[in-house]
Amino acid sequence: DAGITQSPRHKVTETGTPVTLRCHQTENHRYMYWYRQDPGHGLRLIHYSYGVKDTDKGEVSDGYSVSRSKTEDFLLTLESATSSQTSVYFCAIGILQGNYGYTFGSGTRLTVV
Amino acid sequence: DQQVKQNSPSLSVQEGRISILNCDYTNSMFDYFLWYKKYPAEGPTFLISISSIKDKNEDGRFTVFLNKSAKHLSLHIVPSQPGDSAVYFCAAAGGTSYGKLTFGQGTILTVHP
Repeated sequence: DAGITQSPRHKVTETGTPVTLRCHQTENHRYMYWYRQDPGHGLRLIHYSYGVKDTDKGEVSDGYSVSRSKTEDFLLTLESATSSQTSVYFCAIGILQGNYGYTFGSGTRLTVV
Repeated sequence: DQQVKQNSPSLSVQEGRISILNCDYTNSMFDYFLWYKKYPAEGPTFLISISSIKDKNEDGRFTVFLNKSAKHLSLHIVPSQPGDSAVYFCAAAGGTSYGKLTFGQGTILTVHP
């Protein structure tokens, strides 16, 4: 996946527990994004980062926080997991220029029970 | 408020025929459009893009057409192959959301041998 690794690939957690998903890139890319994929909604942006300690909210950020202390790592935390956060989470890197789009990781399937 | 819409949840075509996937958008500030392909249990992969200064872009069997006045884009796959069976997402960026992609809901394409 072009130097993007997401961990874990699968996780089942209980309602009310905190969960952290990790995205690690080896491309030294400045721009990183977290999306969630749900049926009928496509992919929706949760948070994004334009550099170390430079993050901002996307369209579905409620209940999520992020941190980026190193260029290569972008962490997504569900502060208190709810069943509505059961989803597939994708990390992406890149900018939009020329004939290129973002590169996505393989995803993390999260189930909140 | 779904700014990018793919109104056909699924499409079925015969191998060798043309597949046409459609996408509509409402935000007139969008000026860069992309198509992604996604196989099960994998992340989306970039397929082709087009900027608003063009109305057509080709890459092998894939052609994207953009009709700015109608706020409509389409992806043509000719000829279709069974390996093209996947979920196809259109995405858009521009204006205040530049750098952040807004995705459609996706269309499941099935190509029958």
